[in-house]
Amino acid sequence: DAGITQSPRHKVTETGTPVTLRCHQTENHRYMYWYRQDPGHGLRLIHYSYGVKDTDKGEVSDGYSVSRSKTEDFLLTLESATSSQTSVYFCAISESYGGGNTIYFGEGSWLTVV
Amino acid sequence: EDQVTQSPEALRLQEGESSSLNCSYTVSGLRGLFWYRQDPGKGPEFLFTLYSAGEEKEKERLKATLTKKESFLHITAPKPEDSATYLCAVQANFNKFYFGSGTKLNVKP
Repeated sequence: DAGITQSPRHKVTETGTPVTLRCHQTENHRYMYWYRQDPGHGLRLIHYSYGVKDTDKGEVSDGYSVSRSKTEDFLLTLESATSSQTSVYFCAISESYGGGNTIYFGEGSWLTVV
Repeated sequence: EDQVTQSPEALRLQEGESSSLNCSYTVSGLRGLFWYRQDPGKGPEFLFTLYSAGEEKEKERLKATLTKKESFLHITAPKPEDSATYLCAVQANFNKFYFGSGTKLNVKP
C-alpha cells in the first residue's frame, strides 16, 4: 500500500453546499494530486501540488480549490457542489520530479451531489 | 494533442486463454508509460513503468512491452483473479499525466 488515506470514503451532499475531501499521506512525497474518474473519461487531473502551499491547476479545475498546509495533507474543496461533480475522487502521490515518476493512488472518495 | 487510447474497451476470456491489451499514445516527449490494475471500488494499483521503446517488464502472468507508438499488456494463461480494469497512462512532460479509459477484463473459469 502506498500510505494514502482519503476521507470521507463516501459522501452524499446537496447541491450548493461546500464539501471538503481530505488526503493524508505517510510517505513524505513531495507531489500530491487530485483526480476524478468518470465513465468514458478516464482519470482527469483536477489540481496538483508540488510542495507546501504550492499548487497548480489541472485540466478540470473549474469549481474546485485545493490547499496544502502540511506535506502530508492535501485538501480538495468544492465551494458549491453541483450535480456534475458527482464522481469518484482519487488522491495520488509521487516522490520525485522529472521523467517517469510513478503515481500511486489512494482508495477513492465517492461523492454524490443530489 | 496528447492523448491515450486503450483497446478493446472490454475483453472476455476463458481461463487459460492468453491475449493482449493495447494502449496507443500520441504525446510529445514520452517520459514514461504506466500500467495500472483497478478492481471495482478500489484505487488504481501500480503494475509497471516503461521508459523507452523496446523495453519489457514482467510480473507473474503479465508482460508489458513498449514501442514508439503503443504499449501492449500481454496476459498469459489468465486466471479469474486477473479480472479487473487495466489502465494505461503516459507522462508527456513534467507532471503531466494522461490516462486512457481502460480495458475491462473478465476471465471466466
